[in-house]
Amino acid sequence: EVQLEESGGALVQPGGSLRLSCAASGFTFNTFWMSWVRQAPGKGLEWVATIKEDGSGAYYVDSVRGRFTISRDNPKNSLYLQMNSLRAEDTAVYYCAKIWGWAGYAFDIWGQGTMVTVSS
Amino acid sequence: EIVLTQSPGTLSLSPGERATLSCRASQSVSSSYLAWYQQKPGQAPRLLIYGASSRATGIPDRFSGSGSGTDFTLTISRLEPEDFAVYYCQHYGGSPQFTFGQGTKLEIK
Repeated sequence: EVQLEESGGALVQPGGSLRLSCAASGFTFNTFWMSWVRQAPGKGLEWVATIKEDGSGAYYVDSVRGRFTISRDNPKNSLYLQMNSLRAEDTAVYYCAKIWGWAGYAFDIWGQGTMVTVSS
Repeated sequence: EIVLTQSPGTLSLSPGERATLSCRASQSVSSSYLAWYQQKPGQAPRLLIYGASSRATGIPDRFSGSGSGTDFTLTISRLEPEDFAVYYCQHYGGSPQFTFGQGTKLEIK
């Protein structure tokens, strides 16, 4: 079964750091682009970051560029999001998502999400 | 930067009725890179449609997508109780960049 499972969400103070992890199973992880997508409470979906299959390229939404870093460990089938200088507006459920390049780069598999709360 | 605007914000219909949801892009986009998702409360989004009109694996044929250029539509031919949810359109642009619409809530009338 194809699965993504996020972990690492927590309550953190403004200016703090957090590292999210996503464990992948059931597919050949090292052949797919992967992304993080977030959803603030009661709001819509927002793309956060994407990394190519071999880690050769990483891309970010403007609001997190320079603060967040997406990375992957292909032998461990794992995706990460290092979040620094966190702000209240980063509060959201963070989803790990697999990108299906053949399907027009749609997000075809999603994890269940992990909650990040930035508050003092 | 492409902006996707979905309408209506909320759509109130009864089971058995037909639902038509709209997604308008701020400039012409390739239909190859337009997708639709369904999200139920407390759940992750689920891919319904990719390439504007192709159903994802396991998606019932009452769901269909159409459109080109700046105007795209998700149609649910005959609503089932489990179809009441929030629906998002999404576009993949170069760079790469990904954009979501703000969502349409489909509620039971």
